[in-house]
Amino acid sequence: DGGITQSPKYLFRKEGQNVTLSCEQNLNHDAMYWYRQDPGQGLRLIYYSQIVNDFQKGDIAEGYSVSREKKESFPLTVTSAQKNPTAFYLCASSILRQGDPSGANVLTFGAGSRLTVL
Amino acid sequence: AQSVTQPDIHITVSEGASLELRCNYSYGATPYLFWYVQSPGQGLQLLLKYFSGDTLVQGIKGFEAEFKRSQSSFNLRKPSVHWSDAAEYFCAVGAYNQGGKLIFGQGTELSVKP
Repeated sequence: DGGITQSPKYLFRKEGQNVTLSCEQNLNHDAMYWYRQDPGQGLRLIYYSQIVNDFQKGDIAEGYSVSREKKESFPLTVTSAQKNPTAFYLCASSILRQGDPSGANVLTFGAGSRLTVL
Repeated sequence: AQSVTQPDIHITVSEGASLELRCNYSYGATPYLFWYVQSPGQGLQLLLKYFSGDTLVQGIKGFEAEFKRSQSSFNLRKPSVHWSDAAEYFCAVGAYNQGGKLIFGQGTELSVKP
């Protein structure tokens, strides 16, 4: 079955360390996204990518970095510059279709990765 | 500013009772509207979406939502709640020119009493 795989499910990090969260999709979707979820705050967009080798900042990109070397993969690095990295991170993807902008808005989500800073 | 408000942080209903979760939005463009559901420690699953046309939309698991432009609302309803509906529900808004850059509400946690 097609879907989005996020790993690891749980991750612990010491202060000052960079960590990378993996996101792989086999849906043949063009666009991929990273959202951060904190209790009581809903989801906030970190980065998104609509095409390989291109990505844009979302609302809370500071302290994060991404790459999009393959269509299927969109890893997120949480750097030591991120002041409050403890959160639940969700990767998502969507289709981009010429003449049908609605499809781009229909997100498929992975199961998430929970990062805790010790 | 663009925003989505879910006024109820936590709602408890009895199994078999009806449910309405509220969602209000503030958005300059014609909105695309969504409801997602999240079980603890899991990702989000799309319940239903509204792009245009009939303002009453049907979704999965027996849910429906009604778009009321005059009230800037997109409330989620279910006539009879099941214990398995206990989860967190998120309303989200997007637009034709925003791709998948959705704005999410804070979420409403639903508990179901036996």
